[in-house]
Amino acid sequence: GAGVSQSPRYKVAKRGQDVALRCDPISGHVSLFWYQQALGQGPEFLTYFQNEAQLDKSGLPSDRFFAERPEGSVSTLKIQRTQQEDSAVYLCASSLALTSGPPNQPQHFGDGTRLSIL
Amino acid sequence: KNEVEQSPQNLTAQEGEFITINCSYSVGISALHWLQQHPGGGIVSLFMLSSGKKKHGRLIATINIQEKHSSLHITASHPRDSAVYICAVRGSAGGTSYGKLTFGQGTILTVHP
Repeated sequence: GAGVSQSPRYKVAKRGQDVALRCDPISGHVSLFWYQQALGQGPEFLTYFQNEAQLDKSGLPSDRFFAERPEGSVSTLKIQRTQQEDSAVYLCASSLALTSGPPNQPQHFGDGTRLSIL
Repeated sequence: KNEVEQSPQNLTAQEGEFITINCSYSVGISALHWLQQHPGGGIVSLFMLSSGKKKHGRLIATINIQEKHSSLHITASHPRDSAVYICAVRGSAGGTSYGKLTFGQGTILTVHP
């Protein structure tokens, strides 16, 4: 079956350009997470959606970062006026889990989008 | 101090060796994940555990909740095991954790033939 799909796999942009990264979660998955992984580091949480509601955006590093999931399935992470420090792999993960209940639902990860800002 | 600490950061082994990667965490958790990441970025979930021990093939994961410590063991290591292994914890149920994961920095494993 289809897993989490992210596109594009690679994105190169000039500093100051806007970029949009897409995530197609596994069908029926309620929870969707975005993570940012800098080179040589572990991923760090950016934001969380439960269906179409963005319940936690505490990890977004600045107001240049914006995420949406308008119909509760596909999500887009947008970065405006990109800076070199935005260069990273952006990972999307989805799961069946809701905000509470037994922790018995694993997160399924996409292959990520590697963003390079020149 | 990071909430999730892994050791070692880099590990080199010869094929066939027994490998251990350690993870310590400082927060309350509802589950701990061991993940494998190959070059190119894709992450595969190896284990999710909240107590005791799990085994899958040559991989074994253990967790000690009281000591806030987990280990990932690989028996009879093979060059194809070369990857980054990442420990991640899920916050306690309820509150505002939403099940988000907090990751360690990863352990780079290289297994030579």
